[in-house]
Amino acid sequence: GEDVEQSLFLSVREGDSSVINCTYTDSSSTYLYWYKQEPGAGLQLLTYIFSNMDMKQDQRLTVLLNKKDKHLSLRIADTQTGDSAIYFCAVFSNTGNQFYFGTGTSLTVIP
Amino acid sequence: NAGVTQTPKFRVLKTGQSMTLLCAQDMNHEYMYWYRQDPGMGLRLIHYSVGEGTTAKGEVPDGYNVSRLKKQNFLLGLESAAPSQTSVYFCASSNLPGQSSYNEQFFGPGTRLTVL
Repeated sequence: GEDVEQSLFLSVREGDSSVINCTYTDSSSTYLYWYKQEPGAGLQLLTYIFSNMDMKQDQRLTVLLNKKDKHLSLRIADTQTGDSAIYFCAVFSNTGNQFYFGTGTSLTVIP
Repeated sequence: NAGVTQTPKFRVLKTGQSMTLLCAQDMNHEYMYWYRQDPGMGLRLIHYSVGEGTTAKGEVPDGYNVSRLKKQNFLLGLESAAPSQTSVYFCASSNLPGQSSYNEQFFGPGTRLTVL
């Protein structure tokens, strides 16, 4: 199946930018997603990007996609304490016909 | 709309006991999924369903069974629980998978299961 990799932890200071990285293996993925999981809750869709785009900006969020390197990143500008959560990268594999999630990156924002 | 709901929220089982987790969605979604979440391993797909009366195996189906008798409900069963099944279980639903169009998976709040 698809392999989706993320680093497990990231700490940033409040007000700084956070960059969460993700690599994947299935080049047929049409849409790539970022989900956010707050403590004790389910996942919620944060943003997504279509595979023919390089970048997508949505307020404080910027998604960058490098299809050649199969690398996806999520940048959060002016990170706030409320951004502390686990962030999951997810891809839909056309070959496997299912979603694959990364291990999740736990973001801690230090006041 | 309640979205996706799961019952129960918490459960403790002894090894060998059985139980059923219930997932319900009120968004008329065709696709439903069961995942387990373990530390450092992210979400892994157990089983999924592409419509009423259908089920399919995901990445880690062993030890679990599912049923989709009604479109809005997706049941996950553990016939003989093992400590390795201690996990947080999430149900999700979507209209279509993200193949030809962006499509969001909606997640339930999770069920925390401990098997002693």
